[in-house]
Amino acid sequence: DVLMTQSPSSVSASVGDRVTIACRASQSIGNYLNWYQQKPGKAPKLLIYGASTLQSGVPSRFSGVGSGTDYALIISSLQSEDFATYYCQQSHTLWTFGQGTRVEVK
Amino acid sequence: QITLKESGPTVVKPTQTLTLTCTVSGISLTTTGVGVGWIRQAPGEALEWLALLSWDGEKRYKPSLRSTCTITADTSRDRVVFTMANLDPFDTGTYYCVLLGPGNGFDVWGQGTMVTVSS
Repeated sequence: DVLMTQSPSSVSASVGDRVTIACRASQSIGNYLNWYQQKPGKAPKLLIYGASTLQSGVPSRFSGVGSGTDYALIISSLQSEDFATYYCQQSHTLWTFGQGTRVEVK
Repeated sequence: QITLKESGPTVVKPTQTLTLTCTVSGISLTTTGVGVGWIRQAPGEALEWLALLSWDGEKRYKPSLRSTCTITADTSRDRVVFTMANLDPFDTGTYYCVLLGPGNGFDVWGQGTMVTVSS
């Protein structure tokens, strides 16, 4: 299995903050990296695919960067509706998720 | 609009087999490129991909679950059926039906169905 490691596991932030979530794959995944947002009691929502392409309807404050084994999700200016858990997922070899990063109120 | 809806039992006993159905609306399972899969999430835990069925009949499974899981399609009814045998309490969680989308991510999700494995 391709293992996905996210860091940090949680981050405390305020509205307006820039938040960066890192994701590392155990092998090169050629930009087959997707990001999801999940709010409590809800199904996850695809935010970014192909490491950096925003899914339709996703605000431009979200962006994705990276290549090879190292990727990141950046929220440029955190909004109240962004407090949630974020997961990275590789889709290069089957599918595996990171353990999640919870973005909580500081 | 494409929607997915999961259905199945809410409680299953240990060692029994779980059968979940995903009813797909708004797209045909035989359309080129379509893939429907299952993902689960134990309470308070991360997401875990389980299986995926492609439009051409290809089936892919999480390697550690390959011996206990089966995914099949009822194309006449646009349903995807997922079974998992020999359940354990650790299999308790919410099971989501998902649609393969851009970048091989999952862009459409069902609402999820909670399954508790308990005697």
